[in-house]
This record gives sequence, C-alpha cells and structure tokens, in this order.
Amino acid sequence: QVQIVQSGAEVKKPGASVKISCKASGYIFNNYALHWVRQAPGQGLEWMGWLFPGRDDTRYSQKFQGRVTITWGSRDTTANTIYMEVTSLTSEDTAVYYCARGTVPGGNMDSWGQGTLVTV
Amino acid sequence: QSALTQPPSASGSLGQSVTISCTGTRSDVGGYNFVSWFQQNPGKAPKLLIFEVTKRPSGIPDRFSGSKSGNTASLTVSGLQAEDEADYYCSSYAGNNPYVVFGGGTKLTVL
Repeated sequence: QVQIVQSGAEVKKPGASVKISCKASGYIFNNYALHWVRQAPGQGLEWMGWLFPGRDDTRYSQKFQGRVTITWGSRDTTANTIYMEVTSLTSEDTAVYYCARGTVPGGNMDSWGQGTLVTV
Repeated sequence: QSALTQPPSASGSLGQSVTISCTGTRSDVGGYNFVSWFQQNPGKAPKLLIFEVTKRPSGIPDRFSGSKSGNTASLTVSGLQAEDEADYYCSSYAGNNPYVVFGGGTKLTVL
C-alpha cells in the first residue's frame, strides 16, 4: 500500500533553515508528484510546491519562491525520498508541513504523510 | 485570505444532507475540472474525498458527492453521520502560480 513517511518535529530559531524529508513507497515513484502543503496552528491548508520526479518538474508557490527548495534524493539509500528546505524562518512559519502524493496538474492528493511540526 | 471562498461553518442533523460551497474564479474553479475536496479531523492529515470535481477515490462512500457550476464547486454530504463532523477543504488547480489553491475550510457540525 502507498505510504508517505516524513521526518520528525523540528524546533528552530528565527533566521535559521529547516530541511524536512518525505519518503514514499508502495507505488511507482516516477508516476506521481509529491506536493508540500502547510497548516499553521488553527489555520487552513496552504500549498507550497510540487516535485514530479518522472518529469523532473518542480514548481513553487510565488509566496515561497526564493525561500523554499524542493529536491529529490539520490538513487541510493535515499531513493524515493524528497526534501523541502525552508530558509530565513520566522514565527509565521510555525506550522505542520505535509507531504502528499498527487497528480499534476489536478492535485488529487490521495495519500498524505503524518505531518512534520516545525516550531520557530 | 484564501484564494477560494468557503463558508466558515455548516451544520445538519443526523441523516440529513448538507452542501458546502467553494467559490473561486474562472482562473481556477471555473477554468478547470480539477477541484478536490478533503476531510480533516483534529490532529490528523487531510483525507481526499472527491477529485476532478465529481470522482470518488475507492473506499469513499457515495454519501459524498461533488459538483460544479461556473466558478463555484460544491460538496454534498448525504445521510449525515456523527463521524462526518470535521473540517472540509476544497482545492483547485489554478493554471498559473500558485498552481494549486485551497479554500479556507468549513467546519461541519452534525446536530
């Protein structure tokens, strides 16, 4: 079955960076995109970007462009793993960050990771 | 402010039906048949209920249905059950940056 497993909670100081991992399994990795979505405490969902390995296609929300980088793990022990790095953290970046399998362009995020709480 | 507009709350009695709206523009909801709906319970990840406006993933009961008219998409929950009490979010492909937009969410209360 499809599984999306994210790295654990992080606590960072303002101005620092954080890098979160997302490991996918149970499906053909290249056939789907992986989206990053965040949710601040008590707030709604916010799309941040996607990486589509099969098309080598990465897109970012304009809001995060320049501050967020989504990359793909190399083809060894980190296969089927993507990473999202967020730089210049402020208190407004305190949120749960989700990785979700989905299609492009439809979205169709059908499998979600457990979420990673980042506290700034 | 979210790109798509949802009512902050909705309610219905057990067994009844409730419809949640999601209003965008012709650049997102109105321009593409790529509207999704998600259910989120407290402390949990969202769960896909509807994709491509009307389609249900396997395992989602047919009590959940989606539709769209113009720039507004709707989610209807029929035969309300206690476990339907949750937050519901819509999303749409937007064609251009930011590519994917979400609604602000609707808290559904089952009376």
